[in-house]
Amino acid sequence: QVQLQESGPGLVKPSETLSLTCTVSGGSISSYYWNWIRQPPGKGLEWIGYSYYSGSTSYTPSLKSRLTISVDTSKNQFSLKLSSVTAADTAVYYCARGRHFDYWGQGTLVTVSS
Amino acid sequence: DIQMTQSPSSLSASVGDRVTITCRASQSISSYLNWYQQKPGKAPKLLIYAASSLQSGVPSRFSGSASGTDFTLTILSLQPEDFATYYCQQSYTTPWTFGQGTRVEIK
Repeated sequence: QVQLQESGPGLVKPSETLSLTCTVSGGSISSYYWNWIRQPPGKGLEWIGYSYYSGSTSYTPSLKSRLTISVDTSKNQFSLKLSSVTAADTAVYYCARGRHFDYWGQGTLVTVSS
Repeated sequence: DIQMTQSPSSLSASVGDRVTITCRASQSISSYLNWYQQKPGKAPKLLIYAASSLQSGVPSRFSGSASGTDFTLTILSLQPEDFATYYCQQSYTTPWTFGQGTRVEIK
């Protein structure tokens, strides 16, 4: 059974970089798209971007200048880095597999606050 | 970006009711349309992919259909565990985009 688990700081200061890691267990990361999706409190879902297992990426345009998503096949992990964060980046961040998101992590709340 | 518009934004229904949620794409997305269910405090769960394919383990009371750029999620007989928020999502072209969600509440 494939499982995904997000990890990283729950609190980030404004202007700093938000960094999260998603660890994949029960299956290999060497296939599929690996996605990050976020949900601000009380709001809907926003796809942030993906890294394909080969390393190619696609990002949502509104975040593209601040965003890096990468895959580490040796660790079966993929990561998210979002720079210059503001309060608007406060959200639950999910990692998910594939083009239709068939497996999800449980989500991790990241709050941007000083 | 492709805009996905869901309707209604919320609805009230009773156990046993047939419920229909619609999602309209702003341009053609072929059959690259997926449906998710989300309960409070939980990650979304994939119900339907490719417009009408039932994800493994999802009850058969859930079904999806398509007509052009209009897509429909139907719950044949609403069960207590189905009260949740439902989202559509297009995976035709990036940026992949979600509808705004439909909250299904108990009448």
